[in-house]
Amino acid sequence: AQTVTQSQPEMSVQEAETVTLSCTYDTSESDYYLFWYKQPPSRQMILVIRQEAYKQQNATENRFSVNFQKAAKSFSLKISDSQLGDAAMYFCAYRSFSWNQGGKLIFGQGTELSVKP
Amino acid sequence: DSGVTQTPKHLITATGQRVTLRCSPRSGDLSVYWYQQSLDQGLQFLIHYYNGEERAKGNILERFSAQQFPDLHSELNLSSLELGDSALYFCASSASLNTEAFFGQGTRLTVV
Repeated sequence: AQTVTQSQPEMSVQEAETVTLSCTYDTSESDYYLFWYKQPPSRQMILVIRQEAYKQQNATENRFSVNFQKAAKSFSLKISDSQLGDAAMYFCAYRSFSWNQGGKLIFGQGTELSVKP
Repeated sequence: DSGVTQTPKHLITATGQRVTLRCSPRSGDLSVYWYQQSLDQGLQFLIHYYNGEERAKGNILERFSAQQFPDLHSELNLSSLELGDSALYFCASSASLNTEAFFGQGTRLTVV
């Protein structure tokens, strides 16, 4: 069974600085997707970024980028030029490529990010 | 706005009761997923429906059931409720397995 681990329950960053959130996962599959979701105080789950395992190039979305290390099974999220609105719980998630797995997301425990003005 | 609509937003009920949570997926999305978010269990996958058929089950209790209707909306039925069932229940939808899932705002269930 696949597992996702986020070892940092809480992180803090100064406004305009850069922060990196860590995520490791375990799987025996070679094809899969990885995601970072953001959950602000409103509790809405918002997709931040997505990475396909077959792609060597790291995904980027504006100030958000990932460092995907497939051999190490590591998938970290870097937030550049942090803004107050980035304060939220961040979840790393895994999804199998296999139709048999039903497309479910497997989530890590989350990292609570606070942004200091 | 993700396009996924969940009702109600909040629900308070007593132990032993039964409730129904409703989800309307984004237009055109055939897949509906249900997740439970609680303090002790985190975000857990419950069940997945694709075009009206059950595709995958997670750690869903026997007291819980779900269905997806011909118009693709889905309902999650929770019965014989216990205090431990208090949680945030999310619905998510996607067009296919190869596209990302978009989440609704969730239903906050409080069992007293």
